[in-house]
Amino acid sequence: NAGVTQTPKFQVLKTGQSMTLQCAQDMNHNSMYWYRQDPGMGLRLIYYSASEGTTDKGEVPNGYNVSRLNKREFSLRLESAAPSQTSVYFCASSVSLAGGYNEQFFGPGTRLTVL
Amino acid sequence: DAKTTQPNSMESNEEEPVHLPCNHSTISGTDYIHWYRQLPSQGPEYVIHGLTSNVNNRMASLAIAEDRKSSTLILHRATLRDAAVYYCILFLQGSSNTGKLIFGQGTTLQVKP
Repeated sequence: NAGVTQTPKFQVLKTGQSMTLQCAQDMNHNSMYWYRQDPGMGLRLIYYSASEGTTDKGEVPNGYNVSRLNKREFSLRLESAAPSQTSVYFCASSVSLAGGYNEQFFGPGTRLTVL
Repeated sequence: DAKTTQPNSMESNEEEPVHLPCNHSTISGTDYIHWYRQLPSQGPEYVIHGLTSNVNNRMASLAIAEDRKSSTLILHRATLRDAAVYYCILFLQGSSNTGKLIFGQGTTLQVKP
């Protein structure tokens, strides 16, 4: 099993360009998440999808859109990139069980620079 | 979302126990306490979680105060590989057992040989 995979690993954009970050998981998890992590900071939740067909905003959704394409794939789109969106983006998926169990499995991250 | 407070950094010697504290004075009765850690240049990984009782697993132990306003992650014998940022997170389990994690700043643990 590959776990959670993200593409691309690195990306440089110019201000105003658009791009889509791809994420896929092969663990049959219902829930998927997108986070960003700025240097020296903790992760901040952008959007999440509790199940196929649903998406919800997290802490910092402005400037982003998401698509839960199917159970495996959850993409993050930047319509008009800005330098403030320079960050490392992590995708995660989880299985949620009773008793508060919500282990999230993270991908390797995408390092995005917006010039 | 309820918040947690952790020290910015801690140091430990290799092979010694490490106690990582977390304060969560505004915790609600249904919030679970989760711990994740992030090794350098990697995504976070799950460590342990609990509600009221102390918990043990192969990675660590979680000690939860009786009033639940604080908790402590215990690494019994620190190794160099345990050098990471440790996040204490309150998790509210919603319908269908789903929910979201809100990460704070975490504690950077340095382990000295």
